[in-house]
Amino acid sequence: DGGITQSPKYLFRKEGQNVTLSCEQNLNHDAMYWYRQDPGQGLRLIYYSQIVNDFQKGDIAEGYSVSREKKESFPLTVTSAQKNPTAFYLCASSMGLSASGGRAETQYFGPGTRLLVL
Amino acid sequence: GNSVTQMEGPVTLSEEAFLTINCTYTATGYPSLFWYVQYPGEGLQLLLKATKADDKGSNKGFEATYRKETTSFHLEKGSVQVSDSAVYFCALKRPNDYKLSFGAGTTVTVRA
Repeated sequence: DGGITQSPKYLFRKEGQNVTLSCEQNLNHDAMYWYRQDPGQGLRLIYYSQIVNDFQKGDIAEGYSVSREKKESFPLTVTSAQKNPTAFYLCASSMGLSASGGRAETQYFGPGTRLLVL
Repeated sequence: GNSVTQMEGPVTLSEEAFLTINCTYTATGYPSLFWYVQYPGEGLQLLLKATKADDKGSNKGFEATYRKETTSFHLEKGSVQVSDSAVYFCALKRPNDYKLSFGAGTTVTVRA
């Protein structure tokens, strides 16, 4: 089955701790994204990556870091600098602009990771 | 900048009722428009999309028409079921842009 997997489903963070959320896709997509969802709000973009070894900040990148060493993987680290990390984190992927000729390619989402602070 | 405005929820309906969720947008150029659905505790699933004016997206009995003149993409379903209870998000994406801009989401509850 092709799709996006995220782990863990639930993650608990202690004060001052960095935690890493996993996102893996087997759709052969070039582009990957991380969004944050808070109750009653839409999704906000944290980081995105168009290609391996390249990534850009989204609207709310402060307190987060990412890496893109492999096409299939785009892990997100929530650092101790993120003072309000409690949220639902969603990873997504898409073909990428070059593959879709610059038109709107669909973003496909994983099942999400819920991060809670102890 | 780009923005999406959805009707506020929550919306509560009886089974077999007609559902409309309003969505309007602000964007330069010709964005593509999407409706995503989120069931409790899950990620988002694409429900339907439209990429140009007057296109109609449809899936699972849901429909939405891209109206350029009113900058709208309202979601409709003629007869809802309990299984349609979810949060619905309207979103837009400009060509040659990676970012999806989301509305705040509308929670729909269908009662038997």
